[in-house]
Amino acid sequence: NAGVTQTPKFRVLKTGQSMTLLCAQDMNHEYMYWYRQDPGMGLRLIHYSVGEGTTAKGEVPDGYNVSRLKKQNFLLGLESAAPSQTSVYFCASGRNFNQPQHFGDGTRLSIL
Amino acid sequence: RKEVEQDPGPFNVPEGATVAFNCTYSNSASQSFFWYRQDCRKEPKLLMSVYSSGNEDGRFTAQLNRASQYISLLIRDSKLSDSATYLCVVNPVSSGSARQLTFGSGTQLTVLP
Repeated sequence: NAGVTQTPKFRVLKTGQSMTLLCAQDMNHEYMYWYRQDPGMGLRLIHYSVGEGTTAKGEVPDGYNVSRLKKQNFLLGLESAAPSQTSVYFCASGRNFNQPQHFGDGTRLSIL
Repeated sequence: RKEVEQDPGPFNVPEGATVAFNCTYSNSASQSFFWYRQDCRKEPKLLMSVYSSGNEDGRFTAQLNRASQYISLLIRDSKLSDSATYLCVVNPVSSGSARQLTFGSGTQLTVLP
């Protein structure tokens, strides 16, 4: 049972490049989330989804887009990467908003 | 006021000590409470849920105080492997509109040999 899988694990981009981070979960969870975590700071919610075909903005959505075309996948896109988006990105999933979230092991993204 | 506040620490304690962390939350309607642990450069992992009656899991005890709006985590007989950052997590439900948990910034614990 893989749980929550994130790809890639590491990536270095140049300013202005675009990329997509993939999150896949095999627990049949309805809710999925994308967070970023910066040194010395807590988790900040970027976007989330309450079910297939739905997305919603979190605390820091600017510069990111998401899609949930399939229940098991939640994609995070950076259209034009900026150095301020250098961070560790975590994906999580949960049965509903009251239940614990299960996290992937993160994507470390550096933008030069 | 932040929705969830934790003392960032660091807490440095000797092996075998008992240590306690508190976490305050601002929304009195919150319904779900959890403690997560996060090791350096790793993903957060669920440590335990927090129930109204309090709950215990081995050396770990979690309690909820709704009147004062805080939850606590007590670790007895600390081990070196307990060194991590402990995250307080609350679901600030208000009129059923919230759809996400709110994570505290974490309390750093270092257990010293």
